[in-house]
Amino acid sequence: EDQVTQSPEALRLQEGESSSLNCSYTVSGLRGLFWYRQDPGKGPEFLFTLYSAGEEKEKERLKATLTKKESFLHITAPKPEDSATYLCAVFVSGGYNKLIFGAGTRLAVHP
Amino acid sequence: DAGVIQSPRHEVTEMGQEVTLRCKPISGHDYLFWYRQTMMRGLELLIYFNNNVPIDDSGMPEDRFSAKMPNASFSTLKIQPSEPRDSAVYFCASRGSTGGNEQYFGPGTRLTVT
Repeated sequence: EDQVTQSPEALRLQEGESSSLNCSYTVSGLRGLFWYRQDPGKGPEFLFTLYSAGEEKEKERLKATLTKKESFLHITAPKPEDSATYLCAVFVSGGYNKLIFGAGTRLAVHP
Repeated sequence: DAGVIQSPRHEVTEMGQEVTLRCKPISGHDYLFWYRQTMMRGLELLIYFNNNVPIDDSGMPEDRFSAKMPNASFSTLKIQPSEPRDSAVYFCASRGSTGGNEQYFGPGTRLTVT
């Protein structure tokens, strides 16, 4: 069964304290991995798509990387406005356009 | 673009009542998805449409749930009769056939069934 596991469940950082979020997956055939950001009371906001091992994408303080078993979302020198829940999702072959979401990591960045 | 539009944003209803949630996808997108989000189960796909045709409704929890897409710019998710366990945030998302496979989500409808 295709599975996506995110860790940690929650992370508290001080402003400027860099860290990484993990998304590990066991799927039959990965066709893409997506990162989303979700603020309270809002819908998930698309951040990145990664398609193959070794690929990296960057946006401001965020960098997403992908290996054959997991993806990392690195947050460099975070600011309080980076506080949100970060969701990862996989798109699998034979999945008929379905995204399988992880449970998310709740990030809190304190000044 | 205005993004995916959902209405209402909040709905409070009594058990047994019919609830209708509405969604307008991003113009030009030909895939539309309905999700439900709860603390216990996270984001779950309920049903998705391609070119207004339902493709996979295996995530619809019960026959009380139904969804329609009468045209490319409008979809509804109906619950009849509603039950307290249907309380959740319901999201609509859309994507196009060209470019990446990323889905774009609406702001959601928070449903409370008392």
